[in-house]
Amino acid sequence: QKEVEQDPGPLSVPEGAIVSLNCTYSNSAFQYFMWYRQYSRKGPELLMYTYSSGNKEDGRFTAQVDKSSKYISLFIRDSQPSDSATYLCAMSAGSGGSNYKLTFGKGTLLTVNP
Amino acid sequence: NAGVTQTPKFQVLKTGQSMTLQCAQDMNHNSMYWYRQDPGMGLRLIYYSASEGTTDKGEVPNGYNVSRLNKREFSLRLESAAPSQTSVYFCASSWTEYNEQFFGPGTRLTVL
Repeated sequence: QKEVEQDPGPLSVPEGAIVSLNCTYSNSAFQYFMWYRQYSRKGPELLMYTYSSGNKEDGRFTAQVDKSSKYISLFIRDSQPSDSATYLCAMSAGSGGSNYKLTFGKGTLLTVNP
Repeated sequence: NAGVTQTPKFQVLKTGQSMTLQCAQDMNHNSMYWYRQDPGMGLRLIYYSASEGTTDKGEVPNGYNVSRLNKREFSLRLESAAPSQTSVYFCASSWTEYNEQFFGPGTRLTVL
């Protein structure tokens, strides 16, 4: 079983839709969770950063972590064509775990159609 | 504040040639990383430097060497390039090895 699983998509939605992106993981030591956005031919850009379980909201973006289910989500409200990109989840155990480096999902390609 | 910068942006090599990819960060971060990104494989860690003066192997270190020149700069060297090293290479940095990482714009390398 891979440490981090992420559906590669592609996911295509109309402008204004609510988008849900998800990752599952197997390492119960993970406690830091990140979402990166990567535009075509660009470097990954940090979008959201959360610690442990719960929700975090930033504008149209909401990151949700459910450690009991080993499941994280990123919701995008009122999606825009400019949100079209690949979204990567990443996680680490932090200083309390043996694997403190980031483990990335392979990314989900999202297209928002005008 | 440029963040993480990488040079060159593009490079074409012939098999057996050598080259060095340069990375610099101006965020006073302690930790730096080199990744490669290939279609269907995601980001894979090549080498990292948790702090100035230390380097460690990541997931795919074979065929690469690194140098942490100072706190700002971390270079990746291909001694004898192979077609399997055709990829997009990203440098990243973080405050410590436990923190979120910030990425550079990438270097697209083709080995013929």
